[in-house]
Amino acid sequence: GAGVSQSPSNKVTEKGKDVELRCDPISGHTALYWYRQRLGQGLEFLIYFQGNSAPDKSGLPSDRFSAERTGESVSTLTIQRTQQEDSAVYLCASSANVRGMNTEAFFGQGTRLTVV
Amino acid sequence: LAKTTQPISMDSYEGQEVNITCSHNNIATNDYITWYQQFPSQGPRFIIQGYKTKVTNEVASLFIPADRKSSTLSLPRVSLSDTAVYYCLVEGSSNTGKLIFGQGTTLQVKP
Repeated sequence: GAGVSQSPSNKVTEKGKDVELRCDPISGHTALYWYRQRLGQGLEFLIYFQGNSAPDKSGLPSDRFSAERTGESVSTLTIQRTQQEDSAVYLCASSANVRGMNTEAFFGQGTRLTVV
Repeated sequence: LAKTTQPISMDSYEGQEVNITCSHNNIATNDYITWYQQFPSQGPRFIIQGYKTKVTNEVASLFIPADRKSSTLSLPRVSLSDTAVYYCLVEGSSNTGKLIFGQGTTLQVKP
């Protein structure tokens, strides 16, 4: 596809349920990022994948959050036992890596998660 | 990690030039400075990136002094459609390649 694609665009779930959010990066982009953005707030870094390196998980807020990436393609962010405070927009971005430097990041439209 | 500090909000009027300054005192030698723009209900969009001195593109200019401890994003003749949140980031080894967004500067352009 032409850009970063995220699905679903909206998700309403009950407290305590697990959710999976999907991100399809731009083909050929080795770097992939996940962020959380609460209403009126900035982007909170969650996790960063770069090629075959071990992911940087330093931003994951709790062990209920996990993410996987298949090679250099699709990524899935999983939130287990969702809580109301998990309600936010989850944004995914990808970028190419040229001579060791990540180029501009392209963002998807995000998944709006509402936990009721 | 290289931390950035920028004003929370700014107001301007259509047709004015807007300058948003960001401080990044602990920027590393091989770090770049990048600015993103975010409209409501959308993901951020890359605006401009620079290492030192001045960079200009069709959207904005970026001024970086010699010590690189700050940078200024300049938007010429803003319009209502420039109302958005603007984020300053430091990219490179000091952040181990990941993109760390701060709170950004909310720019409100008034008619």
